[in-house]
Amino acid sequence: GAGVSQTPSNKVTEKGKYVELRCDPISGHTALYWYRQSLGQGPEFLIYFQGTGAADDSGLPNDRFFAVRPEGSVSTLKIQRTERGDSAVYLCASSLSSGSYEQYFGPGTRLTVT
Amino acid sequence: QQQVKQSPQSLIVQKGGISIINCAYENTAFDYFPWYQQFPGKGPALLIAIRPDVSEKKEGRFTISFNKSAKQFSLHIMDSQPGDSATYFCAARPLYGQNFVFGPGTRLSVLP
Repeated sequence: GAGVSQTPSNKVTEKGKYVELRCDPISGHTALYWYRQSLGQGPEFLIYFQGTGAADDSGLPNDRFFAVRPEGSVSTLKIQRTERGDSAVYLCASSLSSGSYEQYFGPGTRLTVT
Repeated sequence: QQQVKQSPQSLIVQKGGISIINCAYENTAFDYFPWYQQFPGKGPALLIAIRPDVSEKKEGRFTISFNKSAKQFSLHIMDSQPGDSATYFCAARPLYGQNFVFGPGTRLSVLP
């Protein structure tokens, strides 16, 4: 079956602009996670959704970052007033439910802020 | 603070050799320890995982060894192949959380 998909694969934006990154989880997976991976580092947790609600947003670095999952499937990560330090690969993962341990990652969106 | 340490940062192994990557954690409240493999330009792919009630788990050429008292776990890749060349991440899931805490990664190169 189809895995986690993310669009766009690459996004280049200017400092100060607004960007949206999309994640389409594996069909039937109710839990969805966003991570950020800087060059040469491991992924860092941003936010976790169970269904439509953000169950844990403790990893969001500041209030410029926001994520939604209005229908409990597709999720959008939104970054306002982008800064050069936001440049990274943004990874989305999904799991069957909050009680499932396995998380399956998408290919990521490489965000470059110039 | 929850943290997972990983070593070595990079590893070069001859084809057919054994690759060993080590991880350690400080917080005892972790209950799941996966290993992920990541190729350039791709997302991390789940390789193998272990729960703390088990000391070893083997799947094909991949083995996790877990030492609960030492708070350490390691990945062994037997008969390493050039196709295994990738970056490997260990991770840990908090007992009362859903997110993973990842190590910084090990870049493995298997020479033909």
